[in-house]
Amino acid sequence: QSALTQPPSASGSPGQSVTISCTGTSSDVGGYDYVSWYQQHPGKAPKLMIYEVSKRPSGVPDRFSGSKSGNTASLTVSGLQAEDEADYYCSSYAGSSNFGVFGTGTKVTV
Amino acid sequence: QVQLQESGPGLVKPSERLSLTCTVSGVSISAGYYWGWIRQPPGKGLEWIGSIYFTGNSYYNPSLKSRVTISVDTSKNHFSLRLSSVTAADTAVYYCARDLIYDIRVDSFDIWGQGTMLIVSS
Repeated sequence: QSALTQPPSASGSPGQSVTISCTGTSSDVGGYDYVSWYQQHPGKAPKLMIYEVSKRPSGVPDRFSGSKSGNTASLTVSGLQAEDEADYYCSSYAGSSNFGVFGTGTKVTV
Repeated sequence: QVQLQESGPGLVKPSERLSLTCTVSGVSISAGYYWGWIRQPPGKGLEWIGSIYFTGNSYYNPSLKSRVTISVDTSKNHFSLRLSSVTAADTAVYYCARDLIYDIRVDSFDIWGQGTMLIVSS
């Protein structure tokens, strides 16, 4: 089972939007609505930003949104702010007989 | 407030076995969540190692399964990771985390420990 595919980098100016893709297969992203997105600043633990494709945990700004189409999930950050500069990882459930898989990671530069 | 704290030796020699513990506070480990271990080699991405339920029901990444054991001690409110025959490739920050949904494993982690760096070197 391979890692989910993300672009290595993405960038945008303050106030703009950036969208990150996460491509898997019908056995993970396409097969379940348990896609999550994490934000990780240098030297810090990952922080859950989106779960179940498009839900935001309490405290996560609504500038962060998630969606899915087929085997590809996406994270959009609108109204980019300096503090959004970080690495972002997607992940997906792949069934009880399989194991969780993370994406390759995307570095977002603001 | 739920908090997780990893603890471990920091340095392990090649071929030895590493042991890490994740101490949970603010909630009973028997509360009905899955608890997981994830690692991140320096400069690289995240890798799911495995998860365990308070009953001891566990799941492992097949790439590590032959070397990994995850156990839970409800009396101490902690769970542990053991990885045998370590090599330099096992050098990483090791995180423990709580799975998001009560009573179901969905491999989505909402609460993370701060991570502990483990170096494999002679």
